[in-house]
Amino acid sequence: QKEVEQNSGPLSVPEGAIASLNCTYSDRGSQSFFWYRQYSGKSPELIMFIYSNGDKEDGRFTAQLNKASQYVSLLIRDSQPSDSATYLCAVPEGAQKLVFGQGTRLTINP
Amino acid sequence: GAGVSQTPSNKVTEKGKYVELRCDPISGHTALYWYRQSLGQGPEFLIYFQGTGAADDSGLPNDRFFAVRPEGSVSTLKIQRTERGDSAVYLCASSFGQRSTDTQYFGPGTRLTVL
Repeated sequence: QKEVEQNSGPLSVPEGAIASLNCTYSDRGSQSFFWYRQYSGKSPELIMFIYSNGDKEDGRFTAQLNKASQYVSLLIRDSQPSDSATYLCAVPEGAQKLVFGQGTRLTINP
Repeated sequence: GAGVSQTPSNKVTEKGKYVELRCDPISGHTALYWYRQSLGQGPEFLIYFQGTGAADDSGLPNDRFFAVRPEGSVSTLKIQRTERGDSAVYLCASSFGQRSTDTQYFGPGTRLTVL
C-alpha cells in the first residue's frame, strides 16, 4: 500500500504571499501525481497533474516534482482569500485508484 | 455538461439498518470509483468499476459493503447492518478512461450519519 504524507496544517499565509504545500510519498516507482483542492463541505476538484521531474506551471499554481527525494509540492503565487481550502495530494496505485494524503488546510488572511 | 451526481446528499440512519447510496457518473465515462472520507482525512478508496464489472474492490472494509453497476452507468453502494463507524462522506468519482493519468471527477458526496 502506497503512503502519501502531508502536513495537516493549518497553514496560514497573508494575502498576496506565496503559499507552499508539500507532499511526500513512499513508493519510489510512482510516476504521476495529482493536486486536488477541496473547499469545506464540497468535493475535491483537480487543480494540477504532474508526471515529470521539475516544475509545471498553470496560472498562479506551480507543481514541483522531485522523484529522487520523493516529494511533490504545490506553490500558489499571489495568494487570494478564495484559495483558502484543503489541498489534497494523490498518487495512483495500480492502474486506477488514487491514494490520498490527509490534506493540508490552507488559510489566506486578508 | 452535467457532472457526477449523488443521491441522497445526506442520509441519517440507525445502527443496524441497511442503506443504499447512488452515483450517476458523467455521461460517457466508463470508469467509476467510490471513496470514503472521514473528517480531517483524505478520501479512502473503496471500489472501482470498469463498465459493469468491479475491477478492484480491495478497499471495501468488510462484507457488509457491496456495490453494483448493472448497466455500466449508475452505481449503487450498499451497506448492510450499518455501524456508527460507517459515518463518513461517501464520494463517487468517474473518469473517461482507465489509465492512472485520467482525471477523476468527483461528485458532491453523500454524508452518511449512523446513530
